[in-house]
Amino acid sequence: AQKVTQAQTEISVVEKEDVTLDCVYETRDTTYYLFWYKQPPSGELVFLIRRNSFDEQNEISGRYSWNFQKSTSSFNFTITASQVVDSAVYFCALSEAQGDDMRFGAGTRLTVKP
Amino acid sequence: KAGVTQTPRYLIKTRGQQVTLSCSPISGHRSVSWYQQTPGQGLQFLFEYFSETQRNKGNFPGRFSGRQFSNSRSEMNVSTLELGDSALYLCASSGGQGPGANVLTFGAGSRLTVL
Repeated sequence: AQKVTQAQTEISVVEKEDVTLDCVYETRDTTYYLFWYKQPPSGELVFLIRRNSFDEQNEISGRYSWNFQKSTSSFNFTITASQVVDSAVYFCALSEAQGDDMRFGAGTRLTVKP
Repeated sequence: KAGVTQTPRYLIKTRGQQVTLSCSPISGHRSVSWYQQTPGQGLQFLFEYFSETQRNKGNFPGRFSGRQFSNSRSEMNVSTLELGDSALYLCASSGGQGPGANVLTFGAGSRLTVL
């Protein structure tokens, strides 16, 4: 069965610091998809990125970057030069190609202090 | 285009009552999924509907049910409410039968408080 672990429950940083959110996953499928979502205080989950299991290329989007490593079953998310607006709960998620649902990690609450 | 709309945003019920939550997906999306979010259990999958058919169901009791209409709008119903049903109920839509590779677009949720 698929499983997603986000070991960091809460992280607090000062503005402009870099921060990495960890995500470790488990799946028996060879074809699967990994996601990161952001949940600001308003409650709506906002999609950030999707990666398929065959694409281990790291990705950078502005201040955001993602490191996907199949060897360690990890899909970590780094925010460079964090800003107060980055404060939110971040969820890592996994879905299998033939799976029944998208499985979410417990989430990491990031607080960026000015 | 308009996002996923959930109504009502907030509601308070008492134990034993029932509640119906509504979700209007993004125009053209035929898949609607429902999730329950609580501080203790996190995000848990309830069910997914595609073209008016329930495709998948999570591990929830039969008190939780749903349906999808021909216009893809979906409702979920919880009967005989319990205190533990207090949660944020999130609806998400996607363009394809999911989840697989499909990106879920979430609504802002319906926050249910059971007293």
